[in-house]
Amino acid sequence: GQSLEQPSEVTAVEGAIVQINCTYQTSGFYGLSWYQQHDGGAPTFLSYNALDGLEETGRFSSFLSRSDSYGYLLLQELQMKDSASYFCAVSEMDSSYKLIFGSGTRLLVRP
Amino acid sequence: EAQVTQNPRYLITVTGKKLTVTCSQNMNHEYMSWYRQDPGLGLRQIYYSMNVEVTDKGDVPEGYKVSRKEKRNFPLILESPSPNQTSLYFCASSTWGQETQYFGPGTRLLVL
Repeated sequence: GQSLEQPSEVTAVEGAIVQINCTYQTSGFYGLSWYQQHDGGAPTFLSYNALDGLEETGRFSSFLSRSDSYGYLLLQELQMKDSASYFCAVSEMDSSYKLIFGSGTRLLVRP
Repeated sequence: EAQVTQNPRYLITVTGKKLTVTCSQNMNHEYMSWYRQDPGLGLRQIYYSMNVEVTDKGDVPEGYKVSRKEKRNFPLILESPSPNQTSLYFCASSTWGQETQYFGPGTRLLVL
């Protein structure tokens, strides 16, 4: 079956670095993406990995290891506005073309 | 402005009364999808469409219908809503690669 696991909550201090892990079990893996969602808002796209390695976009980086079925989102120089929920999502492409989301990690950034 | 719009944003209804939530995108995206979001369960895909007249079930399709008669529109239909369909619903669209999903603002539905 399909499953994604990520921590439910993470707390960090402003200015620090935090890593949110995501492990997945799925068929027809195509890629791993990350979304940010503030309370009351819609998810917004952060990054996408189809190949192994690190993708960097400003303060955010995302990593994928296909052989380990594992990825992470790295947030550097944390700011208060980074307090939000972060979702990993797996794109499947076998007989279907689904997008499966994890249950989300709530990040709280403290001053 | 590139966007995905949903209407209505908030809806209170009663069990069994058919309703439609509209979704429209102006980015000429092929792929459109509906999700529901419930506390602790993340986003779960209800239905998706890879192009006009092509729709397929996601993980939680029971009790929902969709149609894709035009590329820009992807309405979600609840023929006979039940209280367990009370949820926050998001429509999203993307190009074929699915790498970047653009989400609508969400529709909060309460079924009494």
